[in-house]
Parts: sequence; C-alpha cells; structure tokens
Amino acid sequence: GDSVTQTEGQVALSEEDFLTIHCNYSASGYPTLFWYVQYPGEGPQLLFRASRDKEKGSSRGFEATYDKGTTSFHLRKASVQESDSAVYYCALSDPGGYQNFYFGKGTSLTVIP
Amino acid sequence: EAAVTQSPRSKVAVTGGKVTLSCHQTNNHDYMYWYRQDTGHGLRLIHYSYVADSTEKGDIPDGYKASRPSQENFSLILELASLSQTAVYFCASGTNSDYTFGSGTRLLVI
Repeated sequence: GDSVTQTEGQVALSEEDFLTIHCNYSASGYPTLFWYVQYPGEGPQLLFRASRDKEKGSSRGFEATYDKGTTSFHLRKASVQESDSAVYYCALSDPGGYQNFYFGKGTSLTVIP
Repeated sequence: EAAVTQSPRSKVAVTGGKVTLSCHQTNNHDYMYWYRQDTGHGLRLIHYSYVADSTEKGDIPDGYKASRPSQENFSLILELASLSQTAVYFCASGTNSDYTFGSGTRLLVI
C-alpha cells in the first residue's frame, strides 16, 4: 500500500548548518508529494508540493526535488536559522489510494543559535 | 478565506464522560480527516470521510466514532473518554492537491 518513510525522527543543528531530511515513498499511482511544517502550538501548514518527476518544490529557502527513480523527495536547506525549528512532515497524495493522503511520521528539527 | 475551524480549542473531560470535537471546513473539499498527535508519534489517522453521511476507519479508530452530517462538518466522538485519549487532535480537509489543517484541539482527560 501507499506509505511515506522519513528516516530521521529528530535532527539537531547549529545555525547556518546544511539541512537534509530524507523522505522516501511508496505509491501505486503517480502521486503528488508534499512537505508540511508544524510550528509549536499550530497545525501543520503546507511548505510546498511537487507533482511530476524532476519537479523542484521550494519555499522559504527549503527545497526538494521529486525523484521517481529513487522514489524520494528529500528536504534540503543550505543554511538553517533558529526560526526553522519545527516538525517537518513529508506526505503524498495518490489518486489511486483509498485514503487519498498519507503522512510520514515527522522529523523534529531543533536549530541551536 | 477558505479554512478549517475546530472547536473547542481546548477541553478538560472526566474519565468515562462523552466528548465531541467539531470541525467545519469552507474549502469545499470532499475528504475530511481526524488525527491525533502525541509527543513522539507524529500524526496518526483516526477516522476519515470522503462523502457526507459516510465515515471510514483510519489507523487507530478504537475508542472513537466519527460523524459527517454534511460536506462541511465532521465530528469526532469519544463515547467513554479515557486517560489514554489525552492528546492534541487535528482535523483536516483535502483533495489530491490541497490539504488544510485546523489549529487543533488540546484534550485533557482526568
């Protein structure tokens, strides 16, 4: 069935470090891929999405490239700031899937000033 | 502005009591979802619905019921609240390309 796997549960970085959060997916169809960000006390909100192979999504300095060959959508940022501390969720939407939307378990990012 | 609105924002309930969490969306989305979030567990799907008057079980439905009386409204019902149901609950509405969360309901069962 459809699923999303995020490798890192928790990540701690210093300001200006490079960030990578790994996301791999499994889907029966050709899904749309998403990254969501959740700040403390708030609901998750959309960071960006990508819907076709090799498409790059980006927002607020974060980016990820849809790779159908490796079934991946890794989140990257060149220089993190303390304000980026949040939980990040990778997700997919599969029109052929019954639940329609699937989330990874989330990665908690802490950026130390 | 399209939105997902949850009520109440927080609630304290007694063990064994009935709790109803409400969700209203103005996105005109077919799908609506209820998740719970616990520290270290991310988002776990409780129930979802893709059409009014029909609900489906998610990954952790035990102890919860859901009701979808209209496209806009989706409720989560705890008939007999238990201590283990203390958590933050999120409602969401979505399509294949758009997915919006509410701000969450913080439930404390004592």
